Amino acid sequence: GNSVTQMEGPVTLSEEAFLTINCTYTATGYPSLFWYVQYPGEGLQLLLKATKADDKGSNKGFEATYRKETTSFHLEKGSVQVSDSAVYFCALRSTGNQFYFGTGTSLTVIP
Amino acid sequence: DAGVTQSPTHLIKTRGQQVTLRCSPKSGHDTVSWYQQALGQGPQFIFQYYEEEERQRGNFPDRFSGHQFPNYSSELNVNALLLGDSALYLCASSLGGGPVAFFGQGTRLTVV
Repeated sequence: GNSVTQMEGPVTLSEEAFLTINCTYTATGYPSLFWYVQYPGEGLQLLLKATKADDKGSNKGFEATYRKETTSFHLEKGSVQVSDSAVYFCALRSTGNQFYFGTGTSLTVIP
Repeated sequence: DAGVTQSPTHLIKTRGQQVTLRCSPKSGHDTVSWYQQALGQGPQFIFQYYEEEERQRGNFPDRFSGHQFPNYSSELNVNALLLGDSALYLCASSLGGGPVAFFGQGTRLTVV
């Protein structure tokens, strides 16, 4: 079946620190992979995506590379800001049209 | 360009009651999906509507039903509410069920 496992939080970092949030997946077929971000009291916003193996998604300084050999899609950012504080969800979309989400990782960035 | 809009934003209902949540998709989108997000969890897929028909359904009981209108807007109905139905309900829209979905801000349902 389809499932996503992501690093449990919460994660607390100082401003300008390096961020990694791990995400691994199990999927049937050839999934597309996504990172969504949820700010307090809001819905989900698409952060980045990758649709095939070795693709790199990037946006707002965040990056993630689709690694088929390790079934991973880890999120990275070189220098986090206070405004990056949010909950981050890794998700996949395989055959069929539904998303499968991880449980989310809460990130707090302190000045 | 308005994104996905949901109403109401918050709702409190009593066990056993029925509730209807509404969603207007992003302009130009024809596919609407509904998700339930329990506190501290990731969203779980309820169902998807396209061309006014339910195309796919997740692992939710029949108490959860929906509808899509000719203008692509959608409703989620939940009957015989349980305390465990308390959650954030998210609507997502896409074009032709394509890979990129836009989410609304959600409706926070509290069942007491």
